[in-house]
Amino acid sequence: GESVGLHLPTLSVQEGDNSIINCAYSNSASDYFIWYKQESGKGPQFIIDIRSNMDKRQGQRVTVLLNKTVKHLSLQIAATQPGDSAVYFCAENQAGTALIFGKGTTLSVSS
Amino acid sequence: GAVVSQHPSWVICKSGTSVKIECRSLDFQATTMFWYRQFPKQSLMLMATSNEGSKATYEQGVEKDKFLINHASLTLSTLTVTSAHPEDSSFYICSVFILNTEAFFGQGTRLTVV
Repeated sequence: GESVGLHLPTLSVQEGDNSIINCAYSNSASDYFIWYKQESGKGPQFIIDIRSNMDKRQGQRVTVLLNKTVKHLSLQIAATQPGDSAVYFCAENQAGTALIFGKGTTLSVSS
Repeated sequence: GAVVSQHPSWVICKSGTSVKIECRSLDFQATTMFWYRQFPKQSLMLMATSNEGSKATYEQGVEKDKFLINHASLTLSTLTVTSAHPEDSSFYICSVFILNTEAFFGQGTRLTVV
């Protein structure tokens, strides 16, 4: 089902710290999961994705972990930089269907 | 380069008027496009699925007579907000899938109704 956010939670970190952003997804039948970054006034920007047959995937400075048992997704950002400050959304879907977005988390990185 | 082009990027209209937003897929054909709406400090909410050559499928709570969707070609879907009111002010974003695997988003349209 759809996730409706009232106000986005905020994660505040210092530059250089590692950040962990969490997401609980709703549909146990979803088989594709994506993390997006959104800056003010812009559309979502793809960060990393993972399919349900995996539990971990790494990119450059980012790692996504998937726990299907508890329907939980996390995004880890290593050595967080001020440019990482944005709103982060997880999204889920089944093949070919619309992406359903999670509530979102605002990441604030201070120097 | 951009895969999906959305226009306009922002628009201000008077209450009671209609506004059309275009979503174009560049260099590929999209039989299905998705329209989302995002209010400030909230998540993207799916409004409708636009199907080329047939009627759009609307999510629960979205008025189909207010948000008219036309997907007349494989590269263009339009969303028309009819009789706009201030509560329709929002960020509207379209999305397409390529090969049912990767989603691409338009730049979004900031609609302000005054």
